[in-house]
Amino acid sequence: GQSLEQPSEVTAVEGAIVQINCTYQTSGFYGLSWYQQHDGGAPTFLSYNGLDGLEETGRFSSFLSRSDSYGYLLLQELQMKDSASYFCAVSLPFGQNFVFGPGTRLSVLP
Amino acid sequence: EAGVAQSPRYKIIEKRQSVAFWCNPISGHATLYWYQQILGQGPKLLIQFQNNGVVDDSQLPKDRFSAERLKGVDSTLKIQPAKLEDSAVYLCASSLASDRERDGYTFGSGTRLTVV
Repeated sequence: GQSLEQPSEVTAVEGAIVQINCTYQTSGFYGLSWYQQHDGGAPTFLSYNGLDGLEETGRFSSFLSRSDSYGYLLLQELQMKDSASYFCAVSLPFGQNFVFGPGTRLSVLP
Repeated sequence: EAGVAQSPRYKIIEKRQSVAFWCNPISGHATLYWYQQILGQGPKLLIQFQNNGVVDDSQLPKDRFSAERLKGVDSTLKIQPAKLEDSAVYLCASSLASDRERDGYTFGSGTRLTVV
């Protein structure tokens, strides 16, 4: 079976740094992706980690440790517009599909 | 480029009625997905098409759900008859088959279905 775990909610203030963790147990693993979804909106792709280590894209960074079955999304210099739900997603090998985590709701306070 | 188009945006039906959703993917995207997202949960794959062929429909409740992608472009998802537990947002996504991990999926805005 496939299992992903994320914290259900995280709260932080504007300008702060927040880390959203994701642990996974899947039958096979190809990579870890992150998606952002505002209320009522479509999920939008943020980042992908196929190898261990840190990937940086502007204010967002994503990290993967295959040996620990663990990854995180790091958001720096938080802005009010970052308030949204964030989903990690495991892509399975051999062309199989993504499995999405339950999502973490981030609230950014002024 | 134009995004993934879905319609309708909202739908309210009574249980046991039927409903259909439409999706037009990004031009050139061979792979199309239908996801079900229940409030407060992550998207769950219902079916994946590669061109007009089904790649994965293992999680599609085939006794009531059906989907087709004629001519490898537009797709429709149908529910017949609907149950209360089908209330959810139905998301369509598309991707380039060759680089779906690196570029990610592009999702449409979804259809919010309420079954009463």
